[in-house]
Amino acid sequence: NAGVTQTPKFQVLKTGQSMTLQCAQDMNHNSMYWYRQDPGMGLRLIYYSASEGTTDKGEVPNGYNVSRLNKREFSLRLESAAPSQTSVYFCASSSYLNTEAFFGQGTRLTVV
Amino acid sequence: GESVGLHLPTLSVQEGDNSIINCAYSNSASDYFIWYKQESGKGPQFIIDIRSNMDKRQGQRVTVLLNKTVKHLSLQIAATQPGDSAVYFCAEWTGRRALTFGSGTRLQVQP
Repeated sequence: NAGVTQTPKFQVLKTGQSMTLQCAQDMNHNSMYWYRQDPGMGLRLIYYSASEGTTDKGEVPNGYNVSRLNKREFSLRLESAAPSQTSVYFCASSSYLNTEAFFGQGTRLTVV
Repeated sequence: GESVGLHLPTLSVQEGDNSIINCAYSNSASDYFIWYKQESGKGPQFIIDIRSNMDKRQGQRVTVLLNKTVKHLSLQIAATQPGDSAVYFCAEWTGRRALTFGSGTRLQVQP
């Protein structure tokens, strides 16, 4: 049982480049989340999807877009990367009406 | 591991002592309050939650207390072990199904 799988694990981008972070879960969860984590800042919610077909903005959505491709997959896209987007990105999922979210191992993104 | 939590407050305890980690929250409309544990290089892991209409909930070696009057949440860990060393985050879960995290505390357990 893989749980939540994120790809890639590490990425270096140049300013202005675009990329998509992939996330897939195999627990049949309805809800999926994207967070970023900066040193000393805790986790900040970028976007979330309460169910297949819906997405909502979180605390820090600017500069990002998301796609809930199907129930399993929730991708995060950076259209034009900026150094301020250097961070560790976590994807998570949870079942409906359940506060226990399961997290992936994270993607360490550096924008130079 | 990552450099997560460089500037987080640190609680240092002796192995076997009880630990109390505190968190202040701002959203009175949250349905649940939750504690997560994050070890170096890993994603957060669920510990325990408490519904907003409760003031105490106990788990295995952990107790969560909720004081709605002062918007304060605490996590008590009994007989702290070296494996408890991690960063602990409080989180809130709203009816919109958004899970948002609050401030974190680094717990260091001294042998």
